[in-house]
Amino acid sequence: GAVVSQHPSWVICKSGTSVKIECRSLDFQATTMFWYRQFPKQSLMLMATSNEGSKATYEQGVEKDKFLINHASLTLSTLTVTSAHPEDSSFYICSASRTEDYYEQYFGPGTRLTVT
Amino acid sequence: QKEVEQNSGPLSVPEGAIASLNCTYSDRVSQSFFWYRQYSGKSPELIMSIYSNGDKEDGRFTAQLNKASQYVSLLIRDSQPSDSATYLCAVVGGTSYGKLTFGQGTILTVHP
Repeated sequence: GAVVSQHPSWVICKSGTSVKIECRSLDFQATTMFWYRQFPKQSLMLMATSNEGSKATYEQGVEKDKFLINHASLTLSTLTVTSAHPEDSSFYICSASRTEDYYEQYFGPGTRLTVT
Repeated sequence: QKEVEQNSGPLSVPEGAIASLNCTYSDRVSQSFFWYRQYSGKSPELIMSIYSNGDKEDGRFTAQLNKASQYVSLLIRDSQPSDSATYLCAVVGGTSYGKLTFGQGTILTVHP
């Protein structure tokens, strides 16, 4: 149980285009979903927290107009990187949790984004 | 002081030995504690969770929590080369609404 999927697993896009990443909880309903970014040899950086049907809460320094998050259902959240630039190239990872599990977060496999 | 600190690595142990990973946290009202394993180029994988003082065992893994000392540890018995990874300690604070605060990670290498 507690499986989270992400799609796509990797994507290459041109500078200035937008990319959408999907995160799905496959066998449970996720009260909350989180989006992280990780650069090589660095720790995970939380970008935003989203609850189903609510606007996402972004961490300080994360541009909400650039990283659009939609949490349309209890099993699906999407992250759209708008007008991507090479500096947005990173490993994007989502996680999902349900409060009845004492906030255990289950991570998706990640999406590697390369902007050329 | 960092909110969550892990013992500095890297840690290298021989195959079959016990690997000991330590973590301290600063938020006294933290309520949930986790250990994640992350292989290079992969996302973190939850391997242990602990919520009350004492020990919790799962296979070769034992997590220990001491809230008075604000300390949580992970022991890996009979370490295998496949255990070689970065281990992340993560804590949910009292007012963090489920957000994890991660330590910087400890790189473990198990050599044959």
